[in-house]
Amino acid sequence: EVQLVESGGGLVQPGRSLKFSCAASGFTFSDYAMAWVRQAPKKGLEWVATIIYDGSSTYYRDSVKGRFTISRDNAKSTLYLQMDSLRSEDTATYYCARHPYGYTPFDYWGQGVMVTVSS
Amino acid sequence: DIRMTQSPASLSASLGETVNIECLASEDIYSDLAWYQQKPGKSPQLLIYNANSLQNGVPSRFSGSGSGTQYSLKINSLQSEDVATYFCQQYNNYWTFGGGTKLELK
Repeated sequence: EVQLVESGGGLVQPGRSLKFSCAASGFTFSDYAMAWVRQAPKKGLEWVATIIYDGSSTYYRDSVKGRFTISRDNAKSTLYLQMDSLRSEDTATYYCARHPYGYTPFDYWGQGVMVTVSS
Repeated sequence: DIRMTQSPASLSASLGETVNIECLASEDIYSDLAWYQQKPGKSPQLLIYNANSLQNGVPSRFSGSGSGTQYSLKINSLQSEDVATYFCQQYNNYWTFGGGTKLELK
């Protein structure tokens, strides 16, 4: 059974950093691209970043470029998101999601981790 | 950026009814269109991909259609467990979601 389990969210002040992770199991992690998708409270879904299967290429939405870093450790089957220079508008539930290589839909999602950016 | 416009934003329907949700892309996305269902407090689940292909395990009362810039999700014989918010997503050029359609029971 495919499982994606996020951990590490919380409350953080504006301008500070936060890093959280997504532990994958039930499939060959290194065969898949992975993504982070966020959802602000009572709002819609917003793709944040994608990393391809071997970590050699990453893609970001414009509003997080230069502030967020997606990475992966295939030996540990774990995906990460490092968020720097956080803003209030980054407040959201962050989901990790799996997708096959390239432009494809997200076929499995984690349960999400809440990040609140507030002073 | 490709923009996705979903309609209606909310919808109230009776059990057994047929429901249609529309999604309009700002440019041709060549059927690179997925539909997701998100129940309250849960993560989204993939229902449909490539505009009309049913994801494994999804009930056959769900179906998708469309091409070019116009797409739709149809739910036949609405069940109580279908109460959720539905999102479309294009994956032709990066990934963009529609604003969502909240489906409730009448």
